[in-house]
This record gives sequence, C-alpha cells and structure tokens, in this order.
Amino acid sequence: AIRMTQSPSSFSASTGDRVTITCRASQGISSYLAWYQQKPGKAPKLLIYAASTLQSGVPSRFSGSGSGTDFTLTISCLQSEDFATYYCQQYYSYPRGLTFGGGTKVEIK
Amino acid sequence: QVTLKESGPVLVKPTETLTLTCTVSGFSLSNARMGVSWIRQPPGKALEWLAHIFSNDEKSYSTSLKSRLTISKDTSKSQVVLTMTNMDPVDTATYYCARLVVVAAKFWDYWGQGTLVTVSS
Repeated sequence: AIRMTQSPSSFSASTGDRVTITCRASQGISSYLAWYQQKPGKAPKLLIYAASTLQSGVPSRFSGSGSGTDFTLTISCLQSEDFATYYCQQYYSYPRGLTFGGGTKVEIK
Repeated sequence: QVTLKESGPVLVKPTETLTLTCTVSGFSLSNARMGVSWIRQPPGKALEWLAHIFSNDEKSYSTSLKSRLTISKDTSKSQVVLTMTNMDPVDTATYYCARLVVVAAKFWDYWGQGTLVTVSS
C-alpha cells in the first residue's frame, strides 16, 4: 500500500501568515493527489485535486503543487476560518488502496 | 443540491454486524461518472477509506478489511449500504459516506455529516 506522510503533524500560525504543508508518498504517484480541510466535528471538504487544481468555490489563497512523491499545500494569507486539519490523499492506486496522510493541524498562535 | 446522509446504530456490541445506510440526493447512483464510498475516522485519528461502489455495481474494498465488508446499492431508493461483520472496539469511529467523482481525477467532492459508531459491550 502507498503510504502518505504529512509534515509537520501540527503547528501554530498567525492570521496573515503564509503556511506550507508537505505530503510525501512512499512511491511515485504522478499528480494523483487531493487535499482536504476538516474542521472539528465536520466532514472533510475538498480543496484541491490533481495536485494543483482548485475545487470550485475554494478561495484562491489555497494552492497545491508537486508531482511524483513530494507535494505541498500552501495557504498564502491565513484567515481565521483556515484553522483546521488538512489531509492529503492519493488516488494513484485507484480503485483500491486509496490512502490518506496522517493530517496536519493548523492552530492559532 | 447534492446531499448524502448516513444512518445506522450509534452503539454496537463486539462481534455484532454493523449495517450503515447512505441516502443520497441531487445525483443518481446510475451516473457513470460517480460512485459512493465509505470512509471512517476513529476519534482523534486520520481518515481511512473502506469501500466504494459504482454505477455498474462494481465494488472495491480496503485490502485490510475486505473480509469483513460488503457494500451494495439500491438505485431506486438512492441508497448505499455498508455492512461490517465482527465489530471490535477498535472499529469505533465516525463513518462517512461520500460521492466519488471518477473522471480523469478521482476525489470525493460531497460528504455526509458522518455518524459516530461506538463498539462496546
């Protein structure tokens, strides 16, 4: 199974900061990667798919990049509503073995 | 408007079988560009994909849980059902159903609110 490793697992940041979250795959997955945001008690929300394609309705301060094994999610100017946990997910091994990273929690400094 | 809603027991005993139903609206289970998946999340932990089913009734299961899972659908009722046998306390989790888009990319664009299932005697 393809393992997805996110770093850091958590960190603190301030409103207005530029933040970057990293996701690494245990083997090459081309650009078959999605990012989700999850707030406490809520279902995940799709942000980005195909590594860099912004889902409709998602603010442009979110961006994704990478291919192969290394990917990043960047929030250009952190807003109060962005404090949440973020997950990467690969679909290279579709239809089986779709796997998520362990999550990165972004907390208020 | 696309919605998905999970229903099922909140408490099951160890060794029992869990049956969860996902009722969808705003799209058809016969749409070839979509499937429905089940995904779970133990308290405080990461997400884990369990299974999906497609318009042609093709199914896929998590390798680690395949022997315990069965997914099915009733297109006329717009429902997808997941059964998981031999429940254990480690299966305590919030269970989500989500719409899987299966075009060039594969991603879940709509999710249910989730249902917390506790396994305890």
